[in-house]
Amino acid sequence: EVQLVESGGGLVQPGRSLKLSCAASGFTFSNYGMAWVRQTPTKGLEWVASISTGGGNTYYRDSVKGRFTISRDNAKNTQYLQMDSLRSEDTATYYCARHLITIAAIWDYWGQGVMVTVSS
Amino acid sequence: DTVLTQSPALAVSPGERVTISCKASESVSTRMHWYQQKPGQQPKLLIYKASNLASGVPARFSGSGSGTDFTLTIDPVEADDTATYFCQQSWNGPTFGAGTKLELK
Repeated sequence: EVQLVESGGGLVQPGRSLKLSCAASGFTFSNYGMAWVRQTPTKGLEWVASISTGGGNTYYRDSVKGRFTISRDNAKNTQYLQMDSLRSEDTATYYCARHLITIAAIWDYWGQGVMVTVSS
Repeated sequence: DTVLTQSPALAVSPGERVTISCKASESVSTRMHWYQQKPGQQPKLLIYKASNLASGVPARFSGSGSGTDFTLTIDPVEADDTATYFCQQSWNGPTFGAGTKLELK
């Protein structure tokens, strides 16, 4: 059974950093591109970042470029999202998701999500 | 960004056929996908590339369309289908629709 379990969320002040982790199991992690997608009640679902199978290619939405870094450790079956210079508009539930096909933006499995709140 | 427009809500009776529409602000070819999200849960992929059923999804769900107009059909609707349904395009930077909330009468 495919499982994606996020951790690392919480309350953080604007301008500070937070690192999310996503532990994967039930599939060959190194064979799949991975992503982070976030959701808020006001803006809905937004793709945040994606990473290729080996980690050599990364992609970001414009609003997080230069602030967020996606990475993965295939030996640990884990992907990460390092979030720096956080803003109030980054407040959201962050989902870890598996790409269905290479790095095409279709996600066939999602984690339960982790809440990130950016507030002073 | 490509904007996806969905009607906000629908109410149907169990056993009926329901169609949920999604209109793109520009052509996305057949790069349209559909997700189901139940309250408090993560999204679940139902249909990819307009008409392909995702693994494990019941055949009651189907998708159609190309260009700017797409449809998700559920036939027949069951009580467990109460959820919000999102369309998402992957032709021009991934974007999602705001979702259609399906309620059962």
